[in-house]
Amino acid sequence: GAVVSQHPSWVICKSGTSVKIECRSLDFQATTMFWYRQFPKQSLMLMATSNEGSKATYEQGVEKDKFLINHASLTLSTLTVTSAHPEDSSFYICSMDRAKGDNEQFFGPGTRLTVL
Amino acid sequence: KNQVEQSPQSLIILEGKNCTLQCNYTVSPFSNLRWYKQDTGRGPVSLTIMTFSENTKSNGRYTATLDADTKQSSLHITASQLSDSASYICVVSSQYDYKLSFGAGTTVTVRA
Repeated sequence: GAVVSQHPSWVICKSGTSVKIECRSLDFQATTMFWYRQFPKQSLMLMATSNEGSKATYEQGVEKDKFLINHASLTLSTLTVTSAHPEDSSFYICSMDRAKGDNEQFFGPGTRLTVL
Repeated sequence: KNQVEQSPQSLIILEGKNCTLQCNYTVSPFSNLRWYKQDTGRGPVSLTIMTFSENTKSNGRYTATLDADTKQSSLHITASQLSDSASYICVVSSQYDYKLSFGAGTTVTVRA
């Protein structure tokens, strides 16, 4: 149980375009979803937290107008990187919390974004 | 500030050998500590989770220990296999914060 999927697994785009990444829980409902970014040889950095039906809470230094998060349902969250630039190239990982009180997050397999 | 420090940053071991990874944290009040395995280009996968009252937890060839008094944890890999090559991340949760505190990870390379 507790399977989280992400789509696409990798994407290459031109500078200035927008890219949408989907995160789905396959066998549970998630009250809270998280988006992380991971640069090479570094640990995961939290970008934002979202709850269904409310606006996402962004971490300091993360531009909310650039990284649009839509928590569409209890099983789906999307991250849209708008007007992507080469410095946005990174590994983006989502995670979901089943709200069982133990703060356990289940991570998706990640999406590798490369902006040319 | 809640922090998690891991050591060593990386290590190379021969197949079949054992190794131990270290994690020190300052997260307070402590809720639980997890060890994750992250293969290259993949998301983290949970290996073990320990709460304050647990001293050790095993998952196959992986054994984690926790000393909540000294705020230290270790992950021991027994009889390493080539598939153990990955980054191992120590993640600590606070009772009062839904955010997780991540260590930088230890990169383990197992060679034949």
